[in-house]
Amino acid sequence: AQRVTQPEKLLSVFKGAPVELKCNYSYSGSPELFWYVQYSRQRLQLLLRHISRESIKGFTADLNKGETSFHLKKPFAQEEDSAMYYCALRVEETSGSRLTFGEGTQLTVNP
Amino acid sequence: DAMVIQNPRYQVTQFGKPVTLSCSQTLNHNVMYWYQQKSSQAPKLLFHYYDKDFNNEADTPDNFQSRRPNTSFCFLDIRSPGLGDAAMYLCATSRIFGLAGGIDNEQFFGPGTRLTVL
Repeated sequence: AQRVTQPEKLLSVFKGAPVELKCNYSYSGSPELFWYVQYSRQRLQLLLRHISRESIKGFTADLNKGETSFHLKKPFAQEEDSAMYYCALRVEETSGSRLTFGEGTQLTVNP
Repeated sequence: DAMVIQNPRYQVTQFGKPVTLSCSQTLNHNVMYWYQQKSSQAPKLLFHYYDKDFNNEADTPDNFQSRRPNTSFCFLDIRSPGLGDAAMYLCATSRIFGLAGGIDNEQFFGPGTRLTVL
């Protein structure tokens, strides 16, 4: 069975500092990884996916199959980045994809 | 705006009293999901509908049922809520396209319904 691990429940950095949110996964197939973000009092929303290799709001994440990791990084954190971040692994099935979430990391960016 | 809407946002029920949570979407997506998220835990998939086909997760308790009367609406029924069912319930949608299914779009989430069981 697939599993997603986010080792840090809480992460606090200062504005302008680099930030890295860790995510490790276990899955026997070909993984598709996502990062979802939930700002205070807002719905869960997609931040980025490894397939598109895009940078959203300055965040990037690289899939490392050797280390089974998909860490989220940003070189200069901003206060508005404070939120809950979830790493998720998608398993595609003909009846629809299934997302397995990590337990999340609460990021706080201090002024 | 096209959205995933959940009503109510907050629901209080009594131990053992059936409760229904609703989800509607204007995205015309053919897949709808229900997740349970307990405090400080990851969202956990309960079941999903692909069109009218119901797909239950193996570890979803029988106490949880779902109905999808049409494309736009999906309901979560908890037949006899226990204290352990207090959680945030998230609805999400996605779309499968292509003759063989194919890769669906991202899942769009509703704001959730927070269920309290007294």
